[in-house]
Amino acid sequence: DIQMTQSPSSVSASVGDRVTITCRASQGISSWLAWYQQKPGKAPKLLIYAASSLQSGVPSRFSGSGSGTDFTLTISSLQPEDFATYYCQQANSFPLLTFGGGTKVEIK
Amino acid sequence: QVQLQESGPGLVKPSQTLSLTCTVSGGSISSGSYYWSWIRQPAGKGLEWIGRIYTSGSTNYNPSLKSRVTISVDTSKNQFSLKLSSVTAADTAVYYCARGDRDPTLAEYFQHWGQGTLVTVSS
Repeated sequence: DIQMTQSPSSVSASVGDRVTITCRASQGISSWLAWYQQKPGKAPKLLIYAASSLQSGVPSRFSGSGSGTDFTLTISSLQPEDFATYYCQQANSFPLLTFGGGTKVEIK
Repeated sequence: QVQLQESGPGLVKPSQTLSLTCTVSGGSISSGSYYWSWIRQPAGKGLEWIGRIYTSGSTNYNPSLKSRVTISVDTSKNQFSLKLSSVTAADTAVYYCARGDRDPTLAEYFQHWGQGTLVTVSS
């Protein structure tokens, strides 16, 4: 099985900060990666798919990059509504899909 | 706009079978090339994919749960269901149903989710 490792597990940041979250796959997954945002008590929301494609309706301050085993999610200027937990998901290890352990973005 | 809604008992006794249903509205469960998944999340923890079903009825399960999981579809009711047998406290979690959309590379992403339902395993 492909394991997905996110770092850091939590990050404290201020409004306006640039935040970068990393996701590493235990083996190459090309660009088959998604990023989700989850707020307490809510279902995850798809932000990025195919490693770098912005889902419709998602603000452009979110961006994704990477391929192979190393991926990043960047929030260019953190907004109050961005405080949440973020998960990566490898999307093509048929038939098993796996998620990273999550990164909580907290208010500094 | 497609919507998904989970339903089922919120409390299940240990060793019994957890049964949940996901009702899909805003579109036919049979239309399009979609995969219908169950995903769970224990309190304070990450997401675990349980398995999926295609409208043809073909299924795939997480190997860690495969011996206990059955996912089925009822196209006449626009629903798909999850059964998880021999549950223990470790199966306590919020259970989500979700629609998997595949891109041309066959990568699968989850744009549409249910709101989630908490299932507690306790006597």
